[in-house]
Amino acid sequence: GQNIDQPTEMTATEGAIVQINCTYQTSGFNGLFWYQQHAGEAPTFLSYNVLDGLEEKGRFSSFLSRSKGYSYLLLKELQMKDSASYLCAVRGSGNTPLVFGKGTRLSVIA
Amino acid sequence: DGGITQSPKYLFRKEGQNVTLSCEQNLNHDAMYWYRQDPGQGLRLIYYSQIVNDFQKGDIAEGYSVSREKKESFPLTVTSAQKNPTAFYLCASSFREIHQPQHFGDGTRLSIL
Repeated sequence: GQNIDQPTEMTATEGAIVQINCTYQTSGFNGLFWYQQHAGEAPTFLSYNVLDGLEEKGRFSSFLSRSKGYSYLLLKELQMKDSASYLCAVRGSGNTPLVFGKGTRLSVIA
Repeated sequence: DGGITQSPKYLFRKEGQNVTLSCEQNLNHDAMYWYRQDPGQGLRLIYYSQIVNDFQKGDIAEGYSVSREKKESFPLTVTSAQKNPTAFYLCASSFREIHQPQHFGDGTRLSIL
């Protein structure tokens, strides 16, 4: 089976840094994806990791440890517009569809 | 502009009726997917298709049907057999390479009258 866990909700202050964790157990692994979803809107792609280490893209970075089945999304210099749900998704064996976690709802407060 | 178009944005259905949700993409993507999103449940896979005239069931296919007659189109029919159809439905598409992300349409919100 496949299992992806993320915290349900987080709150952080504008200008701060927040780390959203994701742990996974899947049969096979062909990469981990992070998406951002504002309420009532489509998820938008943020990052992809398939090798261990940190991938940086502007204010957002994503880290992967395959041996630990663990990833995190790091958001720096938080802005109010970063208030959204962040979805962790894994591609298992072969070219199978992404399996999504339930998402972490991030609230950025002044 | 290239993208994925879902229509309509809001849809209402009477009990016992079938309803079809449209999904069209002009990104030349090979694969297309339908997900359902309920509050607190995340995205759950209904059906997917990796090539024209072929599709596979996802985790929650009961009460749904699809077709893939054209590369650009992957309509989803919610049948009367689906007992709890009220949800946000998201269509996605991607290239077939495993590192390629899935891109999503804006979704259709289906409600039962």
